[in-house]
Amino acid sequence: QSVLTQPPSVSAAPGQKVTISCSGSNSNIGNNYVSWYQHLPGTAPKLLIYDKNKRPSGIPGRFSGSKSGTLATLDITGLQTGDEADYYCGTWDNSLSAVVFGGGTKLTVL
Amino acid sequence: EVQLVQSGAEVKKPGESLKISCKGSGYSFTTYWIGWARQMPGKGLEWMGVIYAGDSDTRYSPSFQGQVTISADKSVSTVYLQWSSLKASDTGMYYCARSSSMVRGATFDYWGQGTLVTVSS
Repeated sequence: QSVLTQPPSVSAAPGQKVTISCSGSNSNIGNNYVSWYQHLPGTAPKLLIYDKNKRPSGIPGRFSGSKSGTLATLDITGLQTGDEADYYCGTWDNSLSAVVFGGGTKLTVL
Repeated sequence: EVQLVQSGAEVKKPGESLKISCKGSGYSFTTYWIGWARQMPGKGLEWMGVIYAGDSDTRYSPSFQGQVTISADKSVSTVYLQWSSLKASDTGMYYCARSSSMVRGATFDYWGQGTLVTVSS
């Protein structure tokens, strides 16, 4: 059971927008920045979003993140088939003094 | 160029010990945290723990406390993940990743390529 809760799967058509949620508590999301990662099978996870909706160099603006209270969301617009992957949210938990991740969300681009 | 290079795949028997490694290069090794994450077959990523390479301050996730040991050797810019007695349930892919800070969140910007550990009798 992951500390952060994500939906197991989401799907949308190419060109559409999808939102992936990540629910936590005041000890993690409520008082820390959330990062989002894309994980394609057989490859290393890739950082997509960090801090207050910052993107590393090379990550397109189609990916954006936001947070309200203890809920963080990742929006992906203009979906492409290459976006099919598992997506994870993560942050620090002040009570556990540990890194916590969500269980991951599998994105299918129909 | 920042790189985290992990040691190769391992096949072990239950009860055996194992130490896998993650070597950092292209950055100031001692000013970053390195974390380890596990992905069991067909499952999601689980964080095991993190270590600050500068002073070896280590924080374990509750599920992994006492099950593994994370250590660092500054002289060779390498972080290790160690088991004293492997179980079949330790089978999985293990990733290391770098973070500049655990304050206000933990952002892992560079990742190793992964080490596959297979534990089978």
